[in-house]
Amino acid sequence: AQSVAQPEDQVNVAEGNPLTVKCTYSVSGNPYLFWYVQYPNRGLQFLLKYITGDNLVKGSYGFEAEFNKSQTSFHLKKPSALVSDSALYFCAVRLEGNTPLVFGKGTRLSVIA
Amino acid sequence: DAGVIQSPRHEVTEMGQEVTLRCKPISGHDYLFWYRQTMMRGLELLIYFNNNVPIDDSGMPEDRFSAKMPNASFSTLKIQPSEPRDSAVYFCASSFLGFGNTIYFGEGSWLTVV
Repeated sequence: AQSVAQPEDQVNVAEGNPLTVKCTYSVSGNPYLFWYVQYPNRGLQFLLKYITGDNLVKGSYGFEAEFNKSQTSFHLKKPSALVSDSALYFCAVRLEGNTPLVFGKGTRLSVIA
Repeated sequence: DAGVIQSPRHEVTEMGQEVTLRCKPISGHDYLFWYRQTMMRGLELLIYFNNNVPIDDSGMPEDRFSAKMPNASFSTLKIQPSEPRDSAVYFCASSFLGFGNTIYFGEGSWLTVV
């Protein structure tokens, strides 16, 4: 069975500082990994995904994530945080083949001006 | 494309009433998903369809919940009778060629059962 953990419920960062939102996964095969963002009263929006290839994946709004197979992690990063990045961030994982995405519980990011 | 369209956006209903949530997936997408989001349980997959056929409904919480997809452009999630614990945000999402491709979410239906 696959699972994903987001160890932090809340991350606070000052505007302009780098941010990291952590995600670790557990699957018994090659993972497909995703990050989504949810702004208040909105649906989930796709940010980026890792399927194969380069371990560093670049996505929307200046976000990137690094796939680390040895540490089974897929942390989301951004070099310089904006107040508008404040939102709920979800990591998700699935195996190859047609299996459903499994979502983490989400991490609330607050960027303080 | 207009994206995944859900209606109603907000619904307040009394306990015992029937609730019907509606979804129009992105045109050409062959997978449709219904998720429920609550503070306590996070994001849960309720059911998903492939080419209008229900594939896995193991996430549907009770017999009070049912979902249909009569054609490629429309799906409903029905709760009958509704209970206060059904209060949640219900998301519809769709994707093309399965789970490896990106799943796109609607804006959600915010349900309150009083």
